[in-house]
Amino acid sequence: AQSVSQHNHHVILSEAASLELGCNYSYGGTVNLFWYVQYPGQHLQLLLKYFSGDPLVKGIKGFEAEFIKSKFSFNLRKPSVQWSDTAEYFCVANSNSGYALNFGKGTSLLVTP
Amino acid sequence: GAGVSQSPRYKVAKRGQDVALRCDPISGHVSLFWYQQALGQGPEFLTYFQNEAQLDKSGLPSDRFFAERPEGSVSTLKIQRTQQEDSAVYLCASSLSYGDTQYFGPGTRLTVL
Repeated sequence: AQSVSQHNHHVILSEAASLELGCNYSYGGTVNLFWYVQYPGQHLQLLLKYFSGDPLVKGIKGFEAEFIKSKFSFNLRKPSVQWSDTAEYFCVANSNSGYALNFGKGTSLLVTP
Repeated sequence: GAGVSQSPRYKVAKRGQDVALRCDPISGHVSLFWYQQALGQGPEFLTYFQNEAQLDKSGLPSDRFFAERPEGSVSTLKIQRTQQEDSAVYLCASSLSYGDTQYFGPGTRLTVL
């Protein structure tokens, strides 16, 4: 069955620490991968996406993710987090021939000053 | 430009009541999606429209759930005879066309007492 799993449900970091959120997917065939973010009180918004090409994808606000096909992973990274990065982060996938997004359970990130 | 809007933002219903949740997609967006997000979980796909046609309703949890988009713009998700397990945030998303980035609304938080 198609699934997306996120390694951590809650992460607490100090400002300026480096961030890596783990994500693994289970899909047959070609897959599209996304990270969505939900800031407190705001709606879900796209952080970055991977469809094909360069496996290192850069998104908004200094985030990047690397698609590693052999590991079925799409981890999110940021070298130095800010307090304003406090949010819920969702790893998301869909098949290349599909449209419905398949979300992981989310990781709640708290960045302390 | 205006994003996806949803109303009401919050809805409290007594068990057994019918509710209707509204979604206004981004103008010109052909594709419209509904997702259900239970507490502590990622959103789960409910149904998909392309213009006024409901092409996929495989995610609707029961026949108490009904969605429509009669003129290919505004959509309504109706839940009949609400149950406590229907309590969740209902998210609407729209995209310009099939396979394009989905933009999410703020959601409607439904609480069934």
